[in-house]
Amino acid sequence: GENVEQHPSTLSVQEGDSAVIKCTYSDSASNYFPWYKQELGKRPQLIIDIRSNVGEKKDQRIAVTLNKTAKHFSLHITETQPEDSAVYFCAASTWGKLQFGAGTQVVVTP
Amino acid sequence: GAVVSQHPSRVICKSGTSVKIECRSLDFQATTMFWYRQFPKQSLMLMATSNEGSKATYEQGVEKDKFLINHASLTLSTLTVTSAHPEDSSFYICSARGGGYQETQYFGPGTRLLVL
Repeated sequence: GENVEQHPSTLSVQEGDSAVIKCTYSDSASNYFPWYKQELGKRPQLIIDIRSNVGEKKDQRIAVTLNKTAKHFSLHITETQPEDSAVYFCAASTWGKLQFGAGTQVVVTP
Repeated sequence: GAVVSQHPSRVICKSGTSVKIECRSLDFQATTMFWYRQFPKQSLMLMATSNEGSKATYEQGVEKDKFLINHASLTLSTLTVTSAHPEDSSFYICSARGGGYQETQYFGPGTRLLVL
């Protein structure tokens, strides 16, 4: 089945700096790659997603890139703010089922 | 739009009892719902996929007789943890997806289960 690896597991950045989280997947049949933000004790919230026919997508301070050949995708957050502090999960969808990465704890210090 | 509710938000029960968790899509019809379990500081692990009107599909290692899933309508799926034990204590989260080619899963707020 699908295997998703996510790095780093923790990421500390200063407010205003950029944060980058990288994921790799194993199943070439995966065709949809969402990113979720989860605050402690809360539900995962979809922040951006990308489909396999697109290489890059941007939404204000958040961008995602996908390299199908290398089977990796990345989340980029620019101009980080304290409210960006949370756990971020990447996921890969194969036949409609999501396989999640292990998560990245992002801490933005003022 | 795309709101998913879950009830109860938290439950404490004695070992050996059964607990039912409801997942509802409030403003869309969910042909498929998913149940996940999340242990502290870990990722979401898919337990089963639930399609309206058919039997759930369980992931490897998940006991279908222990985690009973019913998806009786396009807006409601239930997960019953039967004969719960302390090791079943976890955060259970459902998600819902619309029909057709929609890929996006919308998550419920989760249910914190503590089995004493």
